[in-house]
Parts: sequence; structure tokens; C-alpha cells
Amino acid sequence: DIQMTQSPSSLSASVGDRVTITCRASQSISSYLNWYQQKPGKAPKLLIYAASTLQGGVPSRFSGSGSGTDFTLTISNLQPEDFATYYCQQTYSTPQTFGGGTKVEIE
Amino acid sequence: QITLKESGPTLVKPTQTLTLTCTFSGFSLSTSGVGVGWIRQPPGKALEWLALIYWDDDKRYSPSLKSRLTITKDTSKNQVVLTMTNMDPVDTATYYCAHATHDYGNYRYYFDYWGQGTLVTVSS
Repeated sequence: DIQMTQSPSSLSASVGDRVTITCRASQSISSYLNWYQQKPGKAPKLLIYAASTLQGGVPSRFSGSGSGTDFTLTISNLQPEDFATYYCQQTYSTPQTFGGGTKVEIE
Repeated sequence: QITLKESGPTLVKPTQTLTLTCTFSGFSLSTSGVGVGWIRQPPGKALEWLALIYWDDDKRYSPSLKSRLTITKDTSKNQVVLTMTNMDPVDTATYYCAHATHDYGNYRYYFDYWGQGTLVTVSS
């Protein structure tokens, strides 16, 4: 299985901050990497697919980058509705593993 | 619009078999490139990918659970069924089904629509 390691596991930030979350794959996954946002009691929501493509309807303050083994999700100008847990997922091979999550909390 | 909804028991006993149904609308599972997957999330923990079935009946399973899982589709009913045998308390989780599609030309898959999830508790 390809292991997906996210860092940090949690962070505190303020409204207006720029936040960066990292996801590292245990082997190269090209750009087969997705990012999801999950709020308590809700299903995950797709933010970015194929490492850097913004899903329709997702605000442009979210961006993704990377390829191979190292990926980044950046939230610029953090908004109150962005406080949530974020997961990366690789779809390069089965099982299509998720990272352990990064919880973004209010500072 | 695409919607998915999970249904099944909320409580199962250890060693029993869990059967979950994902009923969807807004797409056809006979359309090339489309899939439906199952993902679970134990309380307070991370997401875990379980299984995925594609439009051509290709089925993929998590290797660690493969011996216990079966995924099937009924295209005429717009349903995907997941069965998990020999349930254990560690299988207590919210189970989600999700629509899978890919970016044009590259087959980089992603889950763009999710059901609301159903909490399954395993306890005697």
C-alpha cells in the first residue's frame, strides 16, 4: 500500500492567515492526488483533484501543487468557514489511501 | 444533480455480516469512466478507503479487508451494495459511498459527490 503522510496533524491559525498543509506519498504517485475538506458531522467535500485542479465552486483561495511524492494544499486568506479537517488521497494505485488528516483550528 | 444515500443497519452484532446499500441518482453506472466507492471513518479518526466498482464491473478492494468485502452493482436499480463479513467492534464507523470520476484523458480519479454517511455500530 502507498502510505500518505500529512503534516502537521493540526494547526492553529487566524482569519486572514495563509495556511500550508503538506502531504507526502511513500512512493511516486505522479499527480494522482486529491484534497478534501471535512467539517464535523459532514461528508468530505472535494477541493482539488489531480494535484492542482480546483473543483468547480471551490473558492480560489484554495490551491494545490506538487507531483511525485510531495504535495501541498495552500489556503490563502483563511476564512471562518475554512476551519475544518483536510485530507489528501492518492488514486495512483489500490487501495486509494487517504492521509491521516490535518485539523485547522482557530487560534 | 448527483446524489447518493447509504442505507443499512445501524447496529450489528460481532461476527455478523453487514450489508450496506448505496442508492444514487443523477448518473448511470453504465457510463464509461464512472465508479462508486465505499469509504469509512471510525469516530474521531481518519478516512479509510474500502472498495470501488467501476462502470465495466471492475472491482477493487482494500487488500487488508479483501477477504471480508464484496461490492456489487445493480445498474437498473441505481444501487451499489457492499457486504462485509465477520464484523468486529473495530469496524464501528460511519460508512460513506461516493461517486468516482476522472479528469478528461488522464484517468486521475477522484470522489466528487458523497453520501451523507451512515453510522454502523458493532456491539453485542
